[in-house]
Amino acid sequence: DSGVTQTPKHLITATGQRVTLRCSPRSGDLSVYWYQQSLDQGLQFLIQYYNGEERAKGNILERFSAQQFPDLHSELNLSSLELGDSALYFCASSPPPGGREQFFGPGTRLTVL
Amino acid sequence: AQSVTQLDSQVPVFEEAPVELRCNYSSSVSVYLFWYVQYPNQGLQLLLKYLSGSTLVKGINGFEAEFNKSQTSFHLRKPSVHISDTAEYFCAVSVAGGGKLIFGQGTELSVKP
Repeated sequence: DSGVTQTPKHLITATGQRVTLRCSPRSGDLSVYWYQQSLDQGLQFLIQYYNGEERAKGNILERFSAQQFPDLHSELNLSSLELGDSALYFCASSPPPGGREQFFGPGTRLTVL
Repeated sequence: AQSVTQLDSQVPVFEEAPVELRCNYSSSVSVYLFWYVQYPNQGLQLLLKYLSGSTLVKGINGFEAEFNKSQTSFHLRKPSVHISDTAEYFCAVSVAGGGKLIFGQGTELSVKP
């Protein structure tokens, strides 16, 4: 158990819908990262937040957005869902100051039908 | 920009045999290097990391890796594998100082009795 929690574990929805994935980092970690794992793209970095502020952006679609709240939990919002958005979405957290290693949550498996 | 290449997509091996999973990276700046393991239907677990110092790094479950700067490699080794080591292994790199992880495509290790 890494100490990073993600909810829900599984999510099945239809094309065009919007979903929210939630992540709680390990106690004391200020950085939260979101990654997408799919069969064709592998593991891809989406976005990073540090203490409530966006720190870095990767291959995140405009239909996707994220935020980190004052209690440091983070949410990833996916809208206008397409079949190709079906994937495993991981959250990871890392401790300050340098975030030398990242601890991953169990992931949310999103299936878009 | 950094990139990671895992040279073998699948590695079948018999129980108690040694194994090496190969990883090469490219970067124009100093990097941190990591190996993660993903068991079926689970998240990513950190096996070991190289941040600085000794080039031979020991991790959990009897795994070790050697950082070779001249060959830009970070191969993972285990002298004797068990059935329970069957999993997908990911090599990853980040810029020294922390930040997003860039992952390789993964190597599926299959240990047969």
